[in-house]
Amino acid sequence: AQSVTQLDSQVPVFEEAPVELRCNYSSSVSVYLFWYVQYPNQGLQLLLKYLSGSTLVKGINGFEAEFNKSQTSFHLRKPSVHISDTAEYFCAVSVDSGGGADGLTFGKGTHLIIQP
Amino acid sequence: ETGVTQSPTHLIKTRGQQVTLRCSSQSGHNTVSWYQQALGQGPQFIFQYYREEENGRGNFPPRFSGLQFPNYSSELNVNALELDDSALYLCATMNDRGGNIQYFGAGTRLSVL
Repeated sequence: AQSVTQLDSQVPVFEEAPVELRCNYSSSVSVYLFWYVQYPNQGLQLLLKYLSGSTLVKGINGFEAEFNKSQTSFHLRKPSVHISDTAEYFCAVSVDSGGGADGLTFGKGTHLIIQP
Repeated sequence: ETGVTQSPTHLIKTRGQQVTLRCSSQSGHNTVSWYQQALGQGPQFIFQYYREEENGRGNFPPRFSGLQFPNYSSELNVNALELDDSALYLCATMNDRGGNIQYFGAGTRLSVL
């Protein structure tokens, strides 16, 4: 079975500063990796995904993430954050089993707090 | 806008009752998954349906059951509700292109009293 660890439950950052949200995973087979964002009282919105190919993945809203197979990490970064980025961020993994019938395994989330 | 719609948005039930939550998705999304998100936690995978058959299940008891219909709608049924069933229930759908890219609805907030 796979698992996801988000190392920080809460990350406070000043507006226009860079941010990195950390994610590590464990799996004995190949995986797909995802970052989702959840705004208050809403569902999950896909920020970006790693399926294969280039290890640097660019997503929406200026976010990017880098897949590091040797360190089993998929950290999310943004060079300059805005107040509107305040939200809960979830890292998720699924195994490359073709049908995805095991669903997504999520971390516990990181609350990004942008301070003016 | 993901094209995934869930109803109702909020629901209050009492312990022991039964509940049905609904989800509808866009054409071509033959896979639907349901997740339970407790307060302050990440979503937990309940089960998945593909073309009206359950083809994957997480660590949830049989009182959690589902249905998927040919019109890209689906239901999550929970019998004998317990207080710990209070959570946000999320529906996610995906097409057949692979990569397990799931699109989520806004969820149904269930409170069990």
